[in-house]
Amino acid sequence: ESLLVESGGGLVQPGGSLRLSCEASGFTFSAYSMNWVRQAPGKGLEWVSYISGSGSPMYYADSVKGRCTISRDNAKNSLFLQMSSLRVEDTAIYYCASARAARGAFELWGQGTMVIVSS
Amino acid sequence: DIQMTQSPSTLSASVGDRVTITCRASQSISFWLAWYQQKPGKAPKLLIYKASTLEIGVPSRFSGSGSGTEFTLTIGSLQPDDFATYYCQQYSSNSKTFGQGTKVEIK
Repeated sequence: ESLLVESGGGLVQPGGSLRLSCEASGFTFSAYSMNWVRQAPGKGLEWVSYISGSGSPMYYADSVKGRCTISRDNAKNSLFLQMSSLRVEDTAIYYCASARAARGAFELWGQGTMVIVSS
Repeated sequence: DIQMTQSPSTLSASVGDRVTITCRASQSISFWLAWYQQKPGKAPKLLIYKASTLEIGVPSRFSGSGSGTEFTLTIGSLQPDDFATYYCQQYSSNSKTFGQGTKVEIK
């Protein structure tokens, strides 16, 4: 069974940093592009970042550009999102999602990890 | 960035009803459009990709159509399990934007 499991969320103060992880299993991780998508409490889905199967290129939403870095370790079947200069408005559930192609819909999602930015 | 606009935002319907949700893109995205279903407390689930291709395992009462800038998701006969929020998403550009969502409620 293909599975994505996120971790690393938590409570952080404004201006702080956090590193989210997403562990993949049950499929050839390096063959899939990966994305981070977030959902603020009671709000809709917001795409955050993309990384290709090889690790480049990467793309970011304007709302996180310059503050977030996406990366992956194909040897460890893992995806990461390094977030810094966190703001209250970054509070959300963060999902990782895989796509079969570089230009592909998100066919597999993790269960999400909650990030709360508050003083 | 390409903006995606869904309508309606909320839809009240009964079991057995035929339901249609519309999604409009601010510029042409060809057929690079997906539809997702999300239930409270759960991750989104892919229903349709490339505007009209049904994901494996998704019931055939779901269908998608459209190209360019206007797309629709149709549920042929609404079932109790279908009450949820639905999102469209374009993946034509590097920035893969979602619509704001359509909540399908029980009438």
